[in-house]
Amino acid sequence: GQNIDQPTEMTATEGAIVQINCTYQTSGFNGLFWYQQHAGEAPTFLSYNVLDGLEEKGRFSSFLSRSKGYSYLLLKELQMKDSASYLCAVMDSNYQLIWGAGTKLIIKP
Amino acid sequence: DAMVIQNPRYQVTQFGKPVTLSCSQTLNHNVMYWYQQKSSQAPKLLFHYYDKDFNNEADTPDNFQSRRPNTSFCFLDIRSPGLGDAAMYLCATSRGTGDNSPLHFGNGTRLTVT
Repeated sequence: GQNIDQPTEMTATEGAIVQINCTYQTSGFNGLFWYQQHAGEAPTFLSYNVLDGLEEKGRFSSFLSRSKGYSYLLLKELQMKDSASYLCAVMDSNYQLIWGAGTKLIIKP
Repeated sequence: DAMVIQNPRYQVTQFGKPVTLSCSQTLNHNVMYWYQQKSSQAPKLLFHYYDKDFNNEADTPDNFQSRRPNTSFCFLDIRSPGLGDAAMYLCATSRGTGDNSPLHFGNGTRLTVT
């Protein structure tokens, strides 16, 4: 079967750095997406990785290792507005998106 | 701004009473999706349209139907809602399938079944 694993919940302090991990087992791989979802709202696109390495976009960076089936989302200089769920999704060989259940990130002052 | 719009934002229906959720897009995207998302769970794909071609997920109950009368609009019909159908329903669009185009989501409709 296909599976995406993420921690259920993480807590971090305002101004700090947090790394949210995602591991996957899928039938093929055509890229990995990270989405941010605030409570009661729709997911919004953050990043896409298809090659190994780090993609940086402002305070957010996403890393991929295809050989390890592993990705992480790195958030720097955390702000209270970063409190949200972060969803990892992998596109399999049929270009179907397989979603993780999301990691709820709680930011404390 | 180009966007995906879902109406209503909150919908309450009675057990067994048919309900229709709507979605419109101004992005001119080829693909429209309907997802069901329950609290703290991954979004679950119900079906999607590529243009007029309808693609149903194997495990989507017959109770859920969809219509796409034109490029801009897509509807989700729940014929006989049960208590287990209470969830957030997300409409999303993308330029295509088979590529890396990200999904653009509407704000969702939260369905309550009483």
